[in-house]
Amino acid sequence: QAGLTQPPSVSKGLRQTATLTCTGNSSNVGNHGAVWLQQPRGLPPRFLSYSNNNRPSGISERFSASRSGNTASLTITGLQPEDEADYYCSAWDSSLSARIFGGGTKLTVL
Amino acid sequence: DVQLVESGGRLVQPGGSLRLSCAASGFNFNVYSMNWVRQAPGKGLEWVSYISSSSSKIYYADSVKGRFTISRDNAKNSVYLQMNSLRAEDTAVYYCARADVDVWGQGTTVTVSS
Repeated sequence: QAGLTQPPSVSKGLRQTATLTCTGNSSNVGNHGAVWLQQPRGLPPRFLSYSNNNRPSGISERFSASRSGNTASLTITGLQPEDEADYYCSAWDSSLSARIFGGGTKLTVL
Repeated sequence: DVQLVESGGRLVQPGGSLRLSCAASGFNFNVYSMNWVRQAPGKGLEWVSYISSSSSKIYYADSVKGRFTISRDNAKNSVYLQMNSLRAEDTAVYYCARADVDVWGQGTTVTVSS
């Protein structure tokens, strides 16, 4: 089953802004949106946001999500050391009747 | 607090079977679909299976179809994954996750090795 496309790694400096992308197609991201997950090293994934920027309580406003067509984006402003983690996007794919994940982006905060 | 707690992972020989459990608390389990997601050592997340709130819709990843069976007991607020004919490539941390994967457990480790 094909997955969503994410860049393998992104590196940014402290207090800078990082934008992570997630590209799918009309069967998944384009019609169903996507979710963003954060996984620090050695810990389970944590839900961050839907691609319409609907975040659960407790998630910092520094994390904001959006979608344009078949691509979802996660923008993290004011990067902090604790933001260093793997970030995954995921979406339901209606043609596969399956949930698919991106390969993950490793965010390094310099 | 909303919580998912997985259990049942252990070392098992190739060809063996295992049943994973996931106990939910802090939310109305009956109205939510559930998923199993796994992560092999050093790898990304891989969706394994989905079950709707009433068990009327069930889906599997191609990699486990015919070998794994998902089920749930709404009276016990629990979801299960029966894993048969296990292979080395099934070695992973197995997570249960709610609906749109908006809530995750801590995971349980399955190791398939002789």
